[in-house]
Amino acid sequence: EAQVTQNPRYLITVTGKKLTVTCSQNMNHEYMSWYRQDPGLGLRQIYYSMNVEVTDKGDVPEGYKVSRKEKRNFPLILESPSPNQTSLYFCASSLSMTESSYEQYFGPGTRLTVT
Amino acid sequence: KQEVTQIPAALSVPEGENLVLNCSFTDSAIYNLQWFRQDPGKGLTSLLLIQSSQREQTSGRLNASLDKSSGRSTLYIAASQPGDSATYLCAVSGWDMRFGAGTRLTVKP
Repeated sequence: EAQVTQNPRYLITVTGKKLTVTCSQNMNHEYMSWYRQDPGLGLRQIYYSMNVEVTDKGDVPEGYKVSRKEKRNFPLILESPSPNQTSLYFCASSLSMTESSYEQYFGPGTRLTVT
Repeated sequence: KQEVTQIPAALSVPEGENLVLNCSFTDSAIYNLQWFRQDPGKGLTSLLLIQSSQREQTSGRLNASLDKSSGRSTLYIAASQPGDSATYLCAVSGWDMRFGAGTRLTVKP
């Protein structure tokens, strides 16, 4: 089954404790991205990757890191989480971002709480 | 910078009504536009994708239109049902993907 998976689905952590949210897709997609969703602010892009070893900042990259060492994986790293990073996070993938026929597929979301 | 606006922010209708959700965007240089459904606390489910060269797409009771020149899209839901209650998001794809804030739809039995 074609899908985007995220782990963990729920995470409660404390300020400053490094964490990684994993994202994996099994569709051989080139493009992957991370979003955060906050009430009243909608979905905002954190980072995206056009292909292996190619990443770029989205609208709200501060406090986050990403890497794309393999095509299928795109982990999101919070090196020193803070309470303002409490949010619902989504990973997404698409075959390409420059072809009009390719839709984005979203993972189930990771609800992160930083205390 | 692309900006996407959805109106109304919330909508409540009785079961059986036909309804229209609106999405507008500021930059017409897009590859496609997608409509998503999101249930509370859940992920996004893709409903329809309209390529930039297309005018509309249909899936069951859903019909989405795109007018790139005016920067507008509509999602038409026919014969609404309580199960349609959710938040509907539109998103436009250029070099990145920009989302509207969504329309929260409630269909009352």
